[in-house]
Amino acid sequence: NAGVTQTPKFQVLKTGQSMTLQCAQDMNHEYMSWYRQDPGMGLRLIHYSVGAGITDQGEVPNGYNVSRSTTEDFPLRLLSAAPSQTSVYFCASSYFRPWLAGGRFYNEQFFGPGTRLTVL
Amino acid sequence: KQEVTQIPAALSVPEGENLVLNCSFTDSAIYNLQWFRQDPGKGLTSLLLIQSSQREQTSGRLNASLDKSSGRSTLYIAASQPGDSATYLCAVPREDSGGSNYKLTFGKGTLLTVNP
Repeated sequence: NAGVTQTPKFQVLKTGQSMTLQCAQDMNHEYMSWYRQDPGMGLRLIHYSVGAGITDQGEVPNGYNVSRSTTEDFPLRLLSAAPSQTSVYFCASSYFRPWLAGGRFYNEQFFGPGTRLTVL
Repeated sequence: KQEVTQIPAALSVPEGENLVLNCSFTDSAIYNLQWFRQDPGKGLTSLLLIQSSQREQTSGRLNASLDKSSGRSTLYIAASQPGDSATYLCAVPREDSGGSNYKLTFGKGTLLTVNP
C-alpha cells in the first residue's frame, strides 16, 4: 500500500493563477479531507468527503473547490490563488461508519506527506 | 465549538527521561482521540487512537490515556530518545446530532526535544 499520496510536494504560484493539488489513497477509505497548516493556527479543515459524489465544507472553505468522482481521488482546486493561501496542505483519509448506539466507530486518520504552496 | 489545548507548547528533556504530554478538550462528547507525531517538514504519523470506551492505549514506549469526563488526555513517553524529537499533536472528532463525526479538531501541538 502506498497509503495517502500527494502531488506536487512544492509549488509556487503567482496571485490569480489556478492549480489543483492532487490527493490519492489506495486503502479504499470512504472519508477523505483536506487541511491547511499555518504557524500559530494549527491544522484547519478545508473540505471533506464521505464518499464518491459527496463533499462538504470545513472551517476554511473559501477560495477552494473539491470534487470526489472516485473513492481513490480527492483533488483540491484553487481557482484564483491569493497570498493568504500560502500554506502547507495535507490530505487525510479514513474509514467511515455511521455511529450506532452501543457500537464502535473506528476512524484512524492517515495523512499524506503534504504540499508546500507559496503564492506570490 | 470544540477547542483543543496542548500544554506545554514546547518541552526539552535529557535522553532517558520519562515524560508526559497533555491534551485537553472542551466538549467531552467525543468518539475517540488520536495522537499524532509530526517531524519537521513532514506529514502527520498516527501514533495511537483511543476509543471513547477505552481509558488507555499502548504502543511500545508510548501510553495514551483518556478521561472524557474531565476532558483530558495524556501521552506518556517512557525512556525518551533523541529520535522522539518531533511535534506531537492530539485531535478529536466532533460528535454531531446525526451521529457521525466529519470534523477533526487539532491542538496546536507540543514541540518535544530530547537531548543526547
